[in-house]
Amino acid sequence: DTEVTQTPKHLVMGMTNKKSLKCEQHMGHRAMYWYKQKAKKPPELMFVYSYEKLSINESVPSRFSPECPNSSLLNLHLHALQPEDSALYLCASSQGDRGLSPLHFGNGTRLTVT
Amino acid sequence: GQNIDQPTEMTATEGAIVQINCTYQTSGFNGLFWYQQHAGEAPTFLSYNVLDGLEEKGRFSSFLSRSKGYSYLLLKELQMKDSASYLCAYLNAGNNRKLIWGLGTSLGVNP
Repeated sequence: DTEVTQTPKHLVMGMTNKKSLKCEQHMGHRAMYWYKQKAKKPPELMFVYSYEKLSINESVPSRFSPECPNSSLLNLHLHALQPEDSALYLCASSQGDRGLSPLHFGNGTRLTVT
Repeated sequence: GQNIDQPTEMTATEGAIVQINCTYQTSGFNGLFWYQQHAGEAPTFLSYNVLDGLEEKGRFSSFLSRSKGYSYLLLKELQMKDSASYLCAYLNAGNNRKLIWGLGTSLGVNP
């Protein structure tokens, strides 16, 4: 069982929809991440939150909007996505925020944009 | 530059030993991670090497040589459930401490 919980597991949305992905961890980790993963590719970093503040934005288009309401929760708000945004979206957390701690991944949300 | 390479695919037989190599080139290095990812699932952490040498964890071991820019993951007593993708990633030093990922090695274990 993963200690990082993501909902929903699957999501199909149209290009005009607005939806949100949710992530929760109760391990007391201080850093939380959003990754995007395409088939047969490694995870691609999108955002990093450190102590509830956005510390890294990997030049992600504004149609992806992250939010960290508290130290246990991380959301990713989606609006006006494109079909090429279809992918597995992975949330992860780590104990420290310096990159030296292993990442604990959730099982992901498989997103399809139609 | 930030280059990291690992073989695309490997196959091995149940009960055997397999070594998955990973080479990297970077001007700033702060450790190397190995993750396992089964199809349709999330990556799970296997090992972390920051100093030269071998780290052993049960059936899995990981080796690092910083001077050669080289790491390997050694899997012993292979089981069918070890069929998965194995991703190496090094931690880039500097202000933006992000992981640089290899493309992954897809390991198939045959009976």
